[in-house]
Amino acid sequence: EPEVTQTPSHQVTQMGQEVILRCVPISNHLYFYWYRQILGQKVEFLVSFYNNEISEKSEIFDDQFSVERPDGSNFTLKIRSTKLEDSAMYFCASTPGGGAWQPQHFGDGTRLSIL
Amino acid sequence: DAKTTQPPSMDCAEGRAANLPCNHSTISGNEYVYWYRQIHSQGPQYIIHGLKNNETNEMASLIITEDRKSSTLILPHATLRDTAVYYCIVKAGSARQLTFGSGTQLTVLP
Repeated sequence: EPEVTQTPSHQVTQMGQEVILRCVPISNHLYFYWYRQILGQKVEFLVSFYNNEISEKSEIFDDQFSVERPDGSNFTLKIRSTKLEDSAMYFCASTPGGGAWQPQHFGDGTRLSIL
Repeated sequence: DAKTTQPPSMDCAEGRAANLPCNHSTISGNEYVYWYRQIHSQGPQYIIHGLKNNETNEMASLIITEDRKSSTLILPHATLRDTAVYYCIVKAGSARQLTFGSGTQLTVLP
């Protein structure tokens, strides 16, 4: 069964540094998402992306965050200047084209640790 | 999106059916019910979704009451690998973001 893959599985970065988290969505999916989960807390929506544009974003997704689909297979989340509170699991998800009712399929996440 | 209420935890004996309830009394006509689960340290895994009718797939069954104010996820023969946090999420068909609550921690006991 096709799946969403995320790399790296664990990223350790110094505070203030830039970090890029990478995702390969399911082939032929057209909508892409990032969520995060701070340890012990709920999964939170960050952003959705379609046709090379952000379609929805949450209050968490401020100017420090950006997303990009640099080629036909990768989808990335960049944090420009990391803070301690950015430490979390980051999950990528994707859905096929068509209605928003279609279920999202998640990767197993990247654990980001900010020192 | 409508708010959902789930019990914080449940136990189930291995091999028995696990019935996980969810209350969504403020659900609107265009909102779907989705169930996901999260096994420790993994990403949320889609299980099933429905709008009005009961649904069944290879993983589970979803029973939605006629008034749509509550639903039950049924895992017909629970195994130890079904131990996870189960999330019931109500989302409009036009919305993109999923709003996760605290879910139900299901523990399958040997």
